[in-house]
Amino acid sequence: DIQMTQSPSSLSASVGDRVTITCRASQSINSYLNWYQQKPGKGPKLLIYAASSLQSGVPSRFSGSGSGTDFTLTISSLQPEDFATYYCQQSYSTLYTFGQGTKLEIK
Amino acid sequence: QVQLQESGPGLVKPSETLSLTCTVSGGSISSYYWSWVRQPPGKGLEWIGYIYYSGSTNYNPSLKSRVTISVDTSKNQFSLKLNSVTAADTAVYYCARVAAVRGVIRAFDYWGQGTLVTVSS
Repeated sequence: DIQMTQSPSSLSASVGDRVTITCRASQSINSYLNWYQQKPGKGPKLLIYAASSLQSGVPSRFSGSGSGTDFTLTISSLQPEDFATYYCQQSYSTLYTFGQGTKLEIK
Repeated sequence: QVQLQESGPGLVKPSETLSLTCTVSGGSISSYYWSWVRQPPGKGLEWIGYIYYSGSTNYNPSLKSRVTISVDTSKNQFSLKLNSVTAADTAVYYCARVAAVRGVIRAFDYWGQGTLVTVSS
């Protein structure tokens, strides 16, 4: 299995802050990396695919970067609706795996 | 707008079979892969498996011996069966569409709202 490790596991930030979440793969996955946002009681929502491409309808304050084993999700200026849990997911292997999640909380 | 809706019993007894169906609306089930993902209460996401509309499947090895995913294109539905369940299978179960978002890179681009299945006697 390809293990996906996110850091931090939780993060407190304020509206307007710039936030970065990191995801590391246990082996190279090229750019086969997706990011999702999940709010309580809801299914995940695709934000970023192929490491850096913004899904249609997702605000431009979200961006992704990286390739190989190290990836980042950046939110340039936090909005109240961005407080949620974020997951990375690899599709390099057909045994899809997710990171453990990063919970973004209001400071 | 594609929509997915899970349905099935919310309570299953230990050692029995969990059965869920996902109904796809707003689009055809054809030409896509369709997946099940679960999330134990308070925990992260675990991919269970996927099925192509033609019927070919791929399962998570950790669950492979107990899982069957099937598709009914005439009803625009796909289904999950998980047998010999235990309390460890208690989770919210999501169905999702697997799309080729860039070349061969795939992502889950549409998700259902999820359904909680509790395993308890």
